[in-house]
Amino acid sequence: AQSVTQPDIHITVSEGASLELRCNYSYGATPYLFWYVQSPGQGLQLLLKYFSGDTLVQGIKGFEAEFKRSQSSFNLRKPSVHWSDAAEYFCAVGTNSGYSTLTFGKGTMLLVSP
Amino acid sequence: KAGVTQTPRYLIKTRGQQVTLSCSPISGHRSVSWYQQTPGQGLQFLFEYFSETQRNKGNFPGRFSGRQFSNSRSEMNVSTLELGDSALYLCASSFLTGLNTDTQYFGPGTRLTVL
Repeated sequence: AQSVTQPDIHITVSEGASLELRCNYSYGATPYLFWYVQSPGQGLQLLLKYFSGDTLVQGIKGFEAEFKRSQSSFNLRKPSVHWSDAAEYFCAVGTNSGYSTLTFGKGTMLLVSP
Repeated sequence: KAGVTQTPRYLIKTRGQQVTLSCSPISGHRSVSWYQQTPGQGLQFLFEYFSETQRNKGNFPGRFSGRQFSNSRSEMNVSTLELGDSALYLCASSFLTGLNTDTQYFGPGTRLTVL
């Protein structure tokens, strides 16, 4: 069975500083990988996804992520964080089984300091 | 295109009652999945429906059930509510070609509180 680990429960970043959120997955075949963001009391918004091809994927709001098969990682990055980026971020893995099922990590709460 | 809608947004029930939550997927999407989100367990998959058939089910007791209608709208039902069922219930829809995982788009969720 697949699994996702987000090692950091909380991260605090100064506004304007760069950001990297870590995600490691476990899956026997080529995974489908996603990053979602959740603001308090809201649903999940898709930031970006990796299905195949170029291992560096661009998303919305200036985010990008890099798939590294050798490290089983899919880290999320942003060069300059804005106060509005404060939210909880979830990494998820989907399989190629034909089922629309995602396995999520526990999430990383991003705090942005002025 | 309208997003995924869920009704109601908030519910308060007491132990032993039952509850029905509704989800309307994005137009043209045929797959609907349900997830439970709690502070302790995080996001957990409940079940997935495609063309009115339950295709996959997570590790939840039989008190949790669902169905999908011919217009792809879905409902989930929880019977004999327990305090631990208090959670945010999220619905997601995807187009799903039937071959591989497709991108899931989430609704705002229904916040269920069991007293």
